[in-house]
Amino acid sequence: DAGITQSPRHKVTETGTPVTLRCHQTENHRYMYWYRQDPGHGLRLIHYSYGVKDTDKGEVSDGYSVSRSKTEDFLLTLESATSSQTSVYFCASSGHGTGSGGTGELFFGEGSRLTVL
Amino acid sequence: DQQVKQNSPSLSVQEGRISILNCDYTNSMFDYFLWYKKYPAEGPTFLISISSIKDKNEDGRFTVFLNKSAKHLSLHIVPSQPGDSAVYFCAASARSNYQLIWGAGTKLIIKP
Repeated sequence: DAGITQSPRHKVTETGTPVTLRCHQTENHRYMYWYRQDPGHGLRLIHYSYGVKDTDKGEVSDGYSVSRSKTEDFLLTLESATSSQTSVYFCASSGHGTGSGGTGELFFGEGSRLTVL
Repeated sequence: DQQVKQNSPSLSVQEGRISILNCDYTNSMFDYFLWYKKYPAEGPTFLISISSIKDKNEDGRFTVFLNKSAKHLSLHIVPSQPGDSAVYFCAASARSNYQLIWGAGTKLIIKP
């Protein structure tokens, strides 16, 4: 199993405050992803990275930014948290892209539950 | 508009019987499909996948069937075991696109 850890695992914050979620992987995977999971929606991609300093937006990127300064670390930042960003956030990594031609297999962290009051 | 749909939020099956989880998709460009399993308070874990050039893929107790004309895939678990109780997600991807599109999940409950 890929070693992938997220921190913090739980966080409660107030509307308007900045929040940073951290993801660390030890598998030297090229690709990393941030998803959010909400009831009735499955997992939705926020941002992804295909290499150090190479990132791109997913389907629900508004209000989020990311950074990847090292292969092993991928940070998700909410510049000014809103109640609609209350969710469970999952980080994932993979050795290949999830498009056709790659195995598509993602290795997930245990999730970070964020509550914005 | 959800491109990947799992219409059954939950499914209850007797231990030892077959579990069948269904998934429908709308995007004809999808060419790779995956199933993930998720336990509470854990991240999803990869279970099985299938390419659009196949109509069946088997791995032990798990078999995925793909019907491209109907844009439908299903996951069969035989025989069902208590440890199979989890949420199962269907996901799909299109060529040259990094984004996996996920269904909302089906909660499978295996009754003893």
